[in-house]
Amino acid sequence: GAGVSQSPSNKVTEKGKDVELRCDPISGHTALYWYRQSLGQGLEFLIYFQGNSAPDKSGLPSDRFSAERTGGSVSTLTIQRTQQEDSAVYLCASSSSNGPYEQYFGPGTRLTVT
Amino acid sequence: QKEVEQNSGPLSVPEGAIASLNCTYSDRGSQSFFWYRQYSGKSPELIMFIYSNGDKEDGRFTAQLNKASQYVSLLIRDSQPSDSATYLCAGGRGSNTGKLIFGQGTTLQVKP
Repeated sequence: GAGVSQSPSNKVTEKGKDVELRCDPISGHTALYWYRQSLGQGLEFLIYFQGNSAPDKSGLPSDRFSAERTGGSVSTLTIQRTQQEDSAVYLCASSSSNGPYEQYFGPGTRLTVT
Repeated sequence: QKEVEQNSGPLSVPEGAIASLNCTYSDRGSQSFFWYRQYSGKSPELIMFIYSNGDKEDGRFTAQLNKASQYVSLLIRDSQPSDSATYLCAGGRGSNTGKLIFGQGTTLQVKP
C-alpha cells in the first residue's frame, strides 16, 4: 500500500517568509509525528498527533512553529518568519493506534532558508 | 548526557562479516526500541523493533535488548556492501504515546 507522503520535497524560501509543509500519513494510521533532521544533528521530535489532537507539542522550537491535523489524516506544519536555523529536513511519520506502534517515515521535505 | 547514545563510527567490516551496532539509553521508562537504516539523502527506514528482553531475529538481522543494562544492539550477519548506511537507534515509552528519542546514528561501511 501507499506509504507516508510529504510535499513539497524541496522548498527554498527567503528569511522572514512563511512556509507550509504537508504530510499525508499511511491510510488508517491515527498517530502522526513531525521530526526534523539538521546537518550533523540527529532526528529531533517536534510534535505528535493522535487523531486531530496534539497531546505532545514539546519539541516545537518556538512559537513560530505550529501544526494542525484535520479529518484525522493530512497534517500541515507551518513555520512563520523563517530563519536560517530553520533549514533542515522535516520528516513526518505515522503509526497505527493498535500495537506494535512502529513509526514509518515519509521521504521528507528539505527546507532551505536563504 | 544524551538520552540515547550511539558511537558515530564509522564502523568498517568486510563483506560477509557480522556487524555489531550498539546503543545505550538513559530513560528507564523506555519500553520499546527501534532500529532504522538511513541511506545518505534518504529518510529512515524501519528495520526492526524490540520490546522484550532478549533476542529477536529477522532474516540477517538480530536485535538484542537488555533493560537491566539499558542496552540495545543490532547484529547484521553476512554483511553486504548494500548494508552500508547510517543506523539509528530510537527508544520510546511504549504504547501509542508518542515520540521516539533517536541516537545520533552509527555509520556502517561494508567493504567488498
